[in-house]
Formats: sequence, C-alpha cells, structure tokens
Amino acid sequence: GDSVTQMEGPVTLSEEAFLTINCTYTATGYPSLFWYVQYPGEGLQLLLKATKADDKGSNKGFEATYRKETTSFHLEKGSVQVSDSAVYFCALRNTGGFKTNFGAGSRLFVKA
Amino acid sequence: GAGVSQSPSNKVTEKGKDVELRCDPISGHTALYWYRQSLGQGLEFLIYFQGNSAPDKSGLPSDRFSAERTGGSVSTLTIQRTQQEDSAVYLCASSFHQGETQYFGPGTRLLVL
Repeated sequence: GDSVTQMEGPVTLSEEAFLTINCTYTATGYPSLFWYVQYPGEGLQLLLKATKADDKGSNKGFEATYRKETTSFHLEKGSVQVSDSAVYFCALRNTGGFKTNFGAGSRLFVKA
Repeated sequence: GAGVSQSPSNKVTEKGKDVELRCDPISGHTALYWYRQSLGQGLEFLIYFQGNSAPDKSGLPSDRFSAERTGGSVSTLTIQRTQQEDSAVYLCASSFHQGETQYFGPGTRLLVL
C-alpha cells in the first residue's frame, strides 16, 4: 500500500542554518505530495504541495521538489528561524483519492 | 473566517468509560476526516465523510469506535469502553470537496487512565 517514510529527528539547528528533512514515498499511480507543519499547540497546516513529477512546491522560504525517479520529496529551507520550530509531516494522496497517508513527523528545534 | 474547531481540547477519562469528541468543520466543506495521532506516530486515518454518502470507515481500529455526521456538518467520534491504548490526539479535518486541501482542527488530547 501507499506509504511515506521521513526522518524523524528531532533535528536541532542554529538560527540561519540550512535545513533538509528527507521524505521518500511508496505509491501506485501518480500521487500528490504534501508537507504539513504543526506549530506548538496548533493544528496541522498545509505548508506546500506538488501534484506531478518535477513540480516544486514553495512557501515561507521552504521548498520541496517532486522527484519521481528517486520517489522523494525532501523539504529544504536555506536559513531557518526560531519561529520555524515545529513538527513537519510529509504526506501523499493518490490521484482521485481522499485518503492522505502521513509520515511519522519530524520535530525541528531552532535555537537562537 | 472560522477554521475547524474541536471540543473538548483535552479529555481525561477512566478505562472502560465512553467518550464523545466533537468536530465543527469549516462552513460549506463537504468532506470531513478523523485521524488519530499517537505519541511518536504519524497520523492514522480513521473515518471519512463526503456529503450525504455513506462514510468510509475502513480506518476505524475496532467496533468500539464509531462516528456520525449530522446534517452534513458537525461530526461526533465516539469511543466506547475506552482502553489505555486509545490515548492519543484525535484530529479532525475538512475540505471543500474530496481531494482538495484539508484544513485541520487543533485536536482533542485524550488520556485514558
């Protein structure tokens, strides 16, 4: 079945460091891929998405590229801020489907 | 506008008791989802409602779990005879239509003693 695997962390970085959170997936068909973010005490929010191969999703300085050849959707940010401290979830949803499969989440701590 | 709301935000109960968790989706959203987030785990799909269609219950872990959605809006997730392994954060999400972006509520943190 469809699944998502992501590095869980926790990841601790200093402010202005470069961030990569790895995400790989297994899916039949051509899924849409997502990154959600959960800030402390809040619900999940969609951060970015990509719906087909080679698409790049971007938002708030974060970006991720849909790589079909490596079945990956790694999240990157060039310079993290303390306010980026949160849990990040990689997810996929197959075309025409409703069920979204989530990874286990990666906790990020950014220290000043 | 108002987002997805859930109540209560926290619930502590004793093993064997029944609990009801409520979700108010965004007005006009036809699709509603329930997920469970256990400590250190990803989100586990529980149940999905789309309009007036029969819900997809394929993710419910046992027959102690049930959910309903009245009038195509508010949804209640009921857990009967709670067990300690039911302790988790229960998240609700809604979307305008199936397959569109899901908006999540803040969750209900359930602790079964």
